[in-house]
Amino acid sequence: DGGITQSPKYLFRKEGQNVTLSCEQNLNHDAMYWYRQDPGQGLRLIYYSQIVNDFQKGDIAEGYSVSREKKESFPLTVTSAQKNPTAFYLCASSFYSEAFFGQGTRLTVV
Amino acid sequence: ILNVEQSPQSLHVQEGDSTNFTCSFPSSNFYALHWYRWETAKSPEALFVMTLNGDEKKKGRISATLNTKEGYSYLYIKGSQPEDSATYLCALTRGNEKLTFGTGTRLTIIP
Repeated sequence: DGGITQSPKYLFRKEGQNVTLSCEQNLNHDAMYWYRQDPGQGLRLIYYSQIVNDFQKGDIAEGYSVSREKKESFPLTVTSAQKNPTAFYLCASSFYSEAFFGQGTRLTVV
Repeated sequence: ILNVEQSPQSLHVQEGDSTNFTCSFPSSNFYALHWYRWETAKSPEALFVMTLNGDEKKKGRISATLNTKEGYSYLYIKGSQPEDSATYLCALTRGNEKLTFGTGTRLTIIP
């Protein structure tokens, strides 16, 4: 079945540690995105990539890093520089006008 | 930062009543406007993609209209049911294909 897989669904980390969230798609989509959602707020764009080996900062990229070495994969690293990393993270991919989403990863930093 | 705004932020509607909410966006370089329905603990589900000014789309009791010249879209729900409770997101695609989401409208249907 085609789709987007995010893992893990829940993640706990200690403050000061880097953590990498996985996003894999087998839809052959060029564009991939990472969004963050906080309680009571909408989706805010962290990073996006429109092609392999290229990515752009979104609205809230500080404290995050990404890579796009393969078309299928767009991992997001939440670094220790991110001041408020606890949030729900959603990955998406799109082909022209249609976007598909993963199930999300809820990251809690303690 | 591209501003895609949705209003109201949250809404409580009595079961059986009809309701609507708004998505506003910059009209320049418009490519497509998307509506998604997002239930807690699930992936957002695509409802509509609209590309032409004056587009109207319908899916059961839910419909949407688009005005690209003035930069807004309305989502209508007729005869609300408890299963309509969700967050409704709109997203704008401009010429560079980047999806930019609004903050969402959280709809709660009161039985």
